[in-house]
Amino acid sequence: DQQVKQNSPSLSVQEGRISILNCDYTNSMFDYFLWYKKYPAEGPTFLISISSIKDKNEDGRFTVFLNKSAKHLSLHIVPSQPGDSAVYFCAASGSSAGNNRKLIWGLGTSLAVNP
Amino acid sequence: KAGVTQTPRYLIKTRGQQVTLSCSPISGHRSVSWYQQTPGQGLQFLFEYFSETQRNKGNFPGRFSGRQFSNSRSEMNVSTLELGDSALYLCASSLGLGLAGVDEQFFGPGTRLTVL
Repeated sequence: DQQVKQNSPSLSVQEGRISILNCDYTNSMFDYFLWYKKYPAEGPTFLISISSIKDKNEDGRFTVFLNKSAKHLSLHIVPSQPGDSAVYFCAASGSSAGNNRKLIWGLGTSLAVNP
Repeated sequence: KAGVTQTPRYLIKTRGQQVTLSCSPISGHRSVSWYQQTPGQGLQFLFEYFSETQRNKGNFPGRFSGRQFSNSRSEMNVSTLELGDSALYLCASSLGLGLAGVDEQFFGPGTRLTVL
């Protein structure tokens, strides 16, 4: 049962345009969401995160939007650059008893930014 | 500050053999998590170790085991290898404090395991 879903396995965007990567979750106990980027032959690297008390977090060209009622978040990259071509993973974390947080990951979306 | 290191980077084994993968976390990080990545399955959580104790566990068979040493270095062992175990095995370290918010994980480059 996939608690974090990235329904688009791939996305192709023209350089300079906006890239929108989507992520849906099913567990209402999730209260922190993260995006990671992964290049081939490398481990994922942290990109941006958002707490459930916010609906938007911005860091340079990257903005994450959270819609709690829809259990949906999206990552916007503006403007997209060829170097942004990578696999993007959405991950969620929920509070639990004690210091026992665990990240639940989506399957990833492969973004290709074409020059 | 050195990043997360994993050894070996590549490994080829045959069915039925066992394998041990190693992960050295970032200095000061006490939590080490292991993931299996296969095409179409994304990142599948194996287990997490914190202060030498397994704190979280994913849904993998008992053939997959791990341990953590007092210096926070961790090893993952897979016994009786199957063809389906071919994957990229990623290790991630974090402070492991589990505070409200994010416990950002820093990933190593992974070990590519091929089972023939």
